[in-house]
Amino acid sequence: DVKVTQSSRYLVKRTGEKVFLECVQDMDHENMFWYRQDPGLGLRLIYFSYDVKMKEKGDIPEGYSVSREKKERFSLILESASTNQTSMYLCASSFPAGGPTDTQYFGPGTRLTVL
Amino acid sequence: AQKVTQAQTEISVVEKEDVTLDCVYETRDTTYYLFWYKQPPSGELVFLIRRNSFDEQNEISGRYSWNFQKSTSSFNFTITASQVVDSAVYFCALSEARNTDKLIFGTGTRLQVFP
Repeated sequence: DVKVTQSSRYLVKRTGEKVFLECVQDMDHENMFWYRQDPGLGLRLIYFSYDVKMKEKGDIPEGYSVSREKKERFSLILESASTNQTSMYLCASSFPAGGPTDTQYFGPGTRLTVL
Repeated sequence: AQKVTQAQTEISVVEKEDVTLDCVYETRDTTYYLFWYKQPPSGELVFLIRRNSFDEQNEISGRYSWNFQKSTSSFNFTITASQVVDSAVYFCALSEARNTDKLIFGTGTRLQVFP
């Protein structure tokens, strides 16, 4: 079974704090993704990575950065959290695109509240 | 531009009813992939199905069936004899061959099945 885990299910932080969200996958997937989910907006891609130390901006990268030092781990960083970053954050992983195995598999999500 | 529309925000049914969740997509690519995911209250997105644009055969998996019609750009999902455990938010998503790493999600349909 594919397993994608996220470090916290719920997180409460204060405005201006630096926040780290961690994601680990155990399927040796090359690709990893960070999304945020907001009511009425569906899932929006923040960043993705197709290899160690490689990253690509998604649709809404502003206010976020990422780190991928090891293949199995992909971190999302909020340098200075703001209230409009209160959201559900979902991590996903997949094999490279183009084949039947490129389906993205998701973690359980981290619900972040910024006060 | 690519887009996925799930016009039904919320649907409520009583157990054993059949229910269809609509998904309409837009893309300029001739090769693309369509997905359905289920998000139960626990939060994790669960992969249900992946179809490519060249395969218009309908698919059935137990109580779930999918109707893919290129002529109307639709990929609808039907649950037969719904059960309380089917209560979840369902997302339809699209990826295009030129950029299959990117999933474009609809805004989701919340299905509530009452006993």
